[in-house]
Amino acid sequence: AQKVTQAQTEISVVEKEDVTLDCVYETRDTTYYLFWYKQPPSGELVFLIRRNSFDEQNEISGRYSWNFQKSTSSFNFTITASQVVDSAVYFCALSEKAGANSKLTFGKGITLSVRP
Amino acid sequence: DVKVTQSSRYLVKRTGEKVFLECVQDMDHENMFWYRQDPGLGLRLIYFSYDVKMKEKGDIPEGYSVSREKKERFSLILESASTNQTSMYLCASSPSPKGLAKNIQYFGAGTRLSVL
Repeated sequence: AQKVTQAQTEISVVEKEDVTLDCVYETRDTTYYLFWYKQPPSGELVFLIRRNSFDEQNEISGRYSWNFQKSTSSFNFTITASQVVDSAVYFCALSEKAGANSKLTFGKGITLSVRP
Repeated sequence: DVKVTQSSRYLVKRTGEKVFLECVQDMDHENMFWYRQDPGLGLRLIYFSYDVKMKEKGDIPEGYSVSREKKERFSLILESASTNQTSMYLCASSPSPKGLAKNIQYFGAGTRLSVL
């Protein structure tokens, strides 16, 4: 069965600090996708990134970076120089099968608070 | 931009009422999903649909049903609302497995339902 574990439930940092959100997953599939979503206070989940299981290259997008390591089944998300607008709930998710009907398994989410 | 619209942001209903939550997407997506989100439990899949008139149970379908008569609209029905169905309900859609955006789900802003 698919499983996504986000062990951290709440993180609080001061603005400009770097913060890493951890995600560990379990799957028997050899082909899968991993995702991160952001849920700001407005409620709508916003897609941030999708990573194919065959692509272990790390990715950077502005202040955001993602570290994918198949050896440890982890897909961690780092925010550099955090800002108050980064305050949100962040979800990691795993697709059941790449190419199937895109059913996702979500972690329980991490609430990030960035204080001025 | 993909737009997923949920008809109500907030709803208050009485125990035993039949409740309809509506979701409309404007991107001609094949797949649509209903989740509920509760503190400490993350997102849990209630039902999903991969085509018109097709539906499949998710992880927690009990007490719910769905309807998909048109491709763009996916309705969640609480046949007889109960207090334990008080929750945030999120609708999502995703394109078919073909193409670059496969497996990415796009979310609505959510409906916060209170059952008294």
